[in-house]
Amino acid sequence: SQQGEEDPQALSIQEGENATMNCSYKTSINNLQWYRQNSGRGLVHLILIRSNEREKHSGRLRVTLDTSKKSSSLLITASRAADTASYFCATVAGAGTALIFGKGTTLSVSS
Amino acid sequence: GAVVSQHPSWVICKSGTSVKIECRSLDFQATTMFWYRQFPKQSLMLMATSNEGSKATYEQGVEKDKFLINHASLTLSTLTVTSAHPEDSSFYICSAYQVSRGGVNEKLFFGSGTQLSVL
Repeated sequence: SQQGEEDPQALSIQEGENATMNCSYKTSINNLQWYRQNSGRGLVHLILIRSNEREKHSGRLRVTLDTSKKSSSLLITASRAADTASYFCATVAGAGTALIFGKGTTLSVSS
Repeated sequence: GAVVSQHPSWVICKSGTSVKIECRSLDFQATTMFWYRQFPKQSLMLMATSNEGSKATYEQGVEKDKFLINHASLTLSTLTVTSAHPEDSSFYICSAYQVSRGGVNEKLFFGSGTQLSVL
């Protein structure tokens, strides 16, 4: 099962630009998380935002959550070529339950 | 930090054979583990929830007789792809919750994944 959609499916930008990815989900959540996956590799946890939080920062990452619209956004500022990867949002409906992933956004950052 | 070890990282097998993938929590006990499958250029799809000492719970559309899950201990869950066919070729990844002393499921840790290629 998949929770929702991510937008855009693919994003190509230049180094130094900001990248914004959006995620929508369908059901009530406990928290929402963003992951990065380099081609053919495992997942890297980026950030977790709880359902009672609206915004969270971590380094060059900024995540927002709007539970009324069931949506979240991930902003990567001052992007680098090393940020090239697929990015997934994932939601947790309740404590101890599985992460349900969105379809992902493929980000390409060219130097 | 907590580590989930997954083996093998890649495997090539002939059609009709069975392949076992192991997922171990190295420094914590995991009563619940999850198995995902990812086809090329697609997202991770939850296959099943593995519970220590009991039967796994499979997601709709996942054949339990084809994807055998065993969670015999608090640190090990295995996924066996039986009678593998080329369409089973995929990236399989497991994850486990590290449970705090208070019994609250906290962080979810992922294995590094297994790339299965069935010829």
